[in-house]
Amino acid sequence: GEDVEQSLFLSVREGDSSVINCTYTDSSSTYLYWYKQEPGAGLQLLTYIFSNMDMKQDQRLTVLLNKKDKHLSLRIADTQTGDSAIYFCAESPDSNYQLIWGAGTKLIIKP
Amino acid sequence: EADIYQTPRYLVIGTGKKITLECSQTMGHDKMYWYQQDPGMELHLIHYSYGVNSTEKGDLSSESTVSRIRTEHFPLTLESARPSHTSQYLCASSEDRQLANYGYTFGSGTRLTVV
Repeated sequence: GEDVEQSLFLSVREGDSSVINCTYTDSSSTYLYWYKQEPGAGLQLLTYIFSNMDMKQDQRLTVLLNKKDKHLSLRIADTQTGDSAIYFCAESPDSNYQLIWGAGTKLIIKP
Repeated sequence: EADIYQTPRYLVIGTGKKITLECSQTMGHDKMYWYQQDPGMELHLIHYSYGVNSTEKGDLSSESTVSRIRTEHFPLTLESARPSHTSQYLCASSEDRQLANYGYTFGSGTRLTVV
């Protein structure tokens, strides 16, 4: 069945790079997404990548996609305290309009 | 700025009361969704709609009901609230995926506490 897996926690020092990983199972997924959720708030789309791309960069964010291994990663350069949040990975299977969500990775920033 | 609005933002209510959580979007999206999320935990889809007069139950069984009489409005109702309904409820909407690459747009959520 369809499944998206993420580690539950990641702890990094302020100023270091954070790399959040995600694996998915549906090879037909056309789009893959990263969402950010700050405490007590809804989810905010951070970035997405089309399945025919290997990499997408947007300022401090770099998304890497390995379709062969069904592995998606989000790298945040120069991690700041404002990056502290839960990051959700999601895939968009071709068969319907629903996103399949990972459980979220809580990013903890150490001073 | 969010174009999808949820009210109330916070709600504390007694057991047995009937409540309606409101969700409205101004983007003309056909597809709308309700998720239940305990703090810091994963999302559970409880209802969705692909358009007016279309509603479906999601993956997580829920005692709530929804309606979709207008495109922009997708309210969720609990006929008799119980402490087990205490959670955060997130509403989202999306365009036809053929046209949009942007996944879902989420509201800010309603934090419900049933005492």
